[in-house]
Amino acid sequence: GDSVTQMEGPVTLSEEAFLTINCTYTATGYPSLFWYVQYPGEGLQLLLKATKADDKGSNKGFEATYRKETTSFHLEKGSVQVSDSAVYFCALMSGGSNYKLTFGKGTLLTVNP
Amino acid sequence: NAGVTQTPKFRVLKTGQSMTLLCAQDMNHEYMYWYRQDPGMGLRLIHYSVGEGTTAKGEVPDGYNVSRLKKQNFLLGLESAAPSQTSVYFCASSYGGDRYGYTFGSGTRLTVV
Repeated sequence: GDSVTQMEGPVTLSEEAFLTINCTYTATGYPSLFWYVQYPGEGLQLLLKATKADDKGSNKGFEATYRKETTSFHLEKGSVQVSDSAVYFCALMSGGSNYKLTFGKGTLLTVNP
Repeated sequence: NAGVTQTPKFRVLKTGQSMTLLCAQDMNHEYMYWYRQDPGMGLRLIHYSVGEGTTAKGEVPDGYNVSRLKKQNFLLGLESAAPSQTSVYFCASSYGGDRYGYTFGSGTRLTVV
């Protein structure tokens, strides 16, 4: 079945540091890939997505590229801010799945001033 | 712009009690989902619906029932609560497809004692 593996947290960085959160997946066919963010006490919000190989999703300075050859969708940001502190979830949606999302376990990011 | 509204936000139940969690969306979405979020487990799909009057089982359906009598509402029921159902429950909705992703509610924190 479909599955998503993302790096274990927590991740603690200083403001303006470079961020990478690794995400790899297993799926049949060619899934769509997503990153969601959850701020404390809130629900999940879509951060970015990519629907086919080599697509790059980007939003709010975050980027991720759909790499079919390595089945990966790593999240990156060049300079993190304190306000980026949150839990980040990688997710996939397979074709024919009734548009169900399969999530990774989440990575807690804390950015210190 | 309400989006997805979940009620209640917090609840404490005794083992064996029953309750219903309500999810309401005002975006005319066809698809609705119930997830539970547990530490270290990410989000796991409980039940979902692909349209009014339909429901289907997800990854962890045991101990839960759902109904979708109206397109805008998706109810999650616990008939006899157990401590293992202590969790944060999220409802989400979508148009279907990978174009827009899901819109999530802010969650219900349920404790079963």
